[in-house]
Amino acid sequence: QSVLTQPPSVSGAPGQRVTISCTGSSSNIGAGYDVHWYQQLPGTAPKLLIYGNSNRPSGVPDRFSGSKSGTSASLAITGLQAEDEADYYCQSYDSSLSAPRVFGTGTKVTVL
Amino acid sequence: EVQLVESGGVVVQPGGSLRLSCAASGFTFDDYTMHWVRQAPGKGLEWVSLISWDGGSTYYADSVKGRFTISRDNSKNSLYLQMNSLRTEDTALYYCAKERDSSSWFDYWGQGTLVTVSS
Repeated sequence: QSVLTQPPSVSGAPGQRVTISCTGSSSNIGAGYDVHWYQQLPGTAPKLLIYGNSNRPSGVPDRFSGSKSGTSASLAITGLQAEDEADYYCQSYDSSLSAPRVFGTGTKVTVL
Repeated sequence: EVQLVESGGVVVQPGGSLRLSCAASGFTFDDYTMHWVRQAPGKGLEWVSLISWDGGSTYYADSVKGRFTISRDNSKNSLYLQMNSLRTEDTALYYCAKERDSSSWFDYWGQGTLVTVSS
């Protein structure tokens, strides 16, 4: 079971800004561990989108940005485009030995 | 170019066993921790297991502990997942993933192999 909570869905018109929250606890995000984000387009494997809370890998457009504060993190997409319609997952390290890597519940972004 | 290619996924009956493989190329395999992550149909990502670069440390999600065993053969650049006592809830697409650094992010993923547990 996921220990990082995300909203099931968010939507926006082309060009708008949307944000996705990722809420954790004192054993993961709140303990200072970094948050990473993945984009999963329909029928494909997840792809790294943001690493280390706010860093973009080469090739990821700068309309994607990440931030972290306290026990939560956020992914923002500005200038929403049709090709951004996908599922998005946050991920962090957890100090629990039973599940040292944890994913968020996932958020479906719909472009209206 | 980094490539991770999973194989071994099939339809298996409840209680059965299966071994998944992941062939890695394009990087120094024995430098990195490797993971298995699964995704049930229409559901989110679930971390399953990890193995350290030398195989000396392994961890499992509670949902598979005692039933699944992760291993690696660095001489063959390969990662494995032995799955025993399979349950219908183990039905999922299983991805192998490479971890960038210790306790960090997954920088490369395979395309996944589908395991279906059904009678």
